[in-house]
Amino acid sequence: QSALTQPPSASGSPGQSVTISCTGTSSDVGSYNYVSWYQQYPGKAPKLIIYEVSERPSGVPDRFSGSKSGNTASLTVSGLQAEDEADYYCSSYASNNNIYNYVFGTGTKVTVL
Amino acid sequence: QVQLVESGGGVVQPGRSLRLSCAASGFTFSRYAVHWVRQAPGKGLEWVAIISFDGTDKYYGDSVKGRFAISRDNSKSMLFLQMNSLRPEDTAVYYCARDSSSGYWPQYWGQGTLVTVSS
Repeated sequence: QSALTQPPSASGSPGQSVTISCTGTSSDVGSYNYVSWYQQYPGKAPKLIIYEVSERPSGVPDRFSGSKSGNTASLTVSGLQAEDEADYYCSSYASNNNIYNYVFGTGTKVTVL
Repeated sequence: QVQLVESGGGVVQPGRSLRLSCAASGFTFSRYAVHWVRQAPGKGLEWVAIISFDGTDKYYGDSVKGRFAISRDNSKSMLFLQMNSLRPEDTAVYYCARDSSSGYWPQYWGQGTLVTVSS
């Protein structure tokens, strides 16, 4: 199972929006609404910020939103804040011949200018 | 609150074995599937394995299949990863992560334990 493809970097000024794409295949992103997004600060564990394409866990600001079209999912961070500077990873459930599989994206470093 | 604490990491020579542990607390461990996910230094996340809530179903990523074995002890709220025939490319921080109630994404993560495979 190949990793989902994300842009290596994205940036924006405070208050602006940034959108990160996550491209998979018809075997993962395209077939299941089990796309998740994680935020990771250097030296820290990942934190779930979006699940099931567009749902936010309790406590995650509504500045974070997710969507999906075909084989590509997207994470949008609106009203960028300095604390949003981190690495972001998408992920997806990916059944292969009814065998459980799971795949992460290549990761995107978000810089707040 | 959900807490996951990994242990057992360290430096090991290529070809040798190592066993990681993950102690869970703050939730009913026996009701949830649990993952192992790793991250090589400076690299992205890689899914390693998952075990079902009762331990009957186990699945692995292609890069560890046949070398790693996931197991659990629900009586002690413990998760394990037996790593055999270790390679330098297995060097990574290993995280245990509790799945969501639906079983299709890691929801809560531990802080990780570093495994270094080097001669």
